[in-house]
Amino acid sequence: GQQLNQSPQSMFIQEGEDVSMNCTSSSIFNTWLWYKQDPGEGPVLLIALYKAGELTSNGRLTAQFGTTRKDSFLNISASIPSDVGIYFCAGQSTGGTSYGKLTFGQGTILTVHP
Amino acid sequence: NAGVMQNPRHLVRRRGQEARLRCSPVKGHSHVYWYRQLPEEGLKFMVYLQKENIIDESGMPKERFSAEFPKEGPSILRIQQVVRGDSAAYFCASSPGTSAETQYFGPGTRLLVL
Repeated sequence: GQQLNQSPQSMFIQEGEDVSMNCTSSSIFNTWLWYKQDPGEGPVLLIALYKAGELTSNGRLTAQFGTTRKDSFLNISASIPSDVGIYFCAGQSTGGTSYGKLTFGQGTILTVHP
Repeated sequence: NAGVMQNPRHLVRRRGQEARLRCSPVKGHSHVYWYRQLPEEGLKFMVYLQKENIIDESGMPKERFSAEFPKEGPSILRIQQVVRGDSAAYFCASSPGTSAETQYFGPGTRLLVL
């Protein structure tokens, strides 16, 4: 089946630093998404990407859809304590019964020290 | 989480008992997805349902697991004769269609099997 490899597994940074994480896939996705999950909660969508090469920003977050459609990265600039959480990439394929189903990466645990 | 409700939030069962997890989608959403998250892992797709129909159950274990989304009432994920390996967080997401960015996640049900 489809697999996403997300790295790094965890990051420990100082407040104010920039953060970068990425995902690679063994297969092509039509849509890439980045989610944040707080403890005890469900994932919340941060950014959605629809076109190969697309670069999208949402406040301090920037994400890119790789040109091969098999990878994506997420950058967080000037981190703050409330950025703490688990970040997941997810891919969606279209066509057949896979439409709508999301494949998730393993997650990146982000810790921000004040 | 845009109104997706899941209950119970926490469920403790002994081996061999049945677990019933409920998901009330956002009002007007007719698409429901169930995902399972094992500790320190990403979410894994289980099943995709539209009202009264199972569309894709490729992620469901072949035995003991079943799901339904009746015409009236919440979607139910049922696990019969639970085993310790079923301990996980179970999330549902609802959507008005199959676009990934409109999939809203609930807070999850944490199942612990003793």
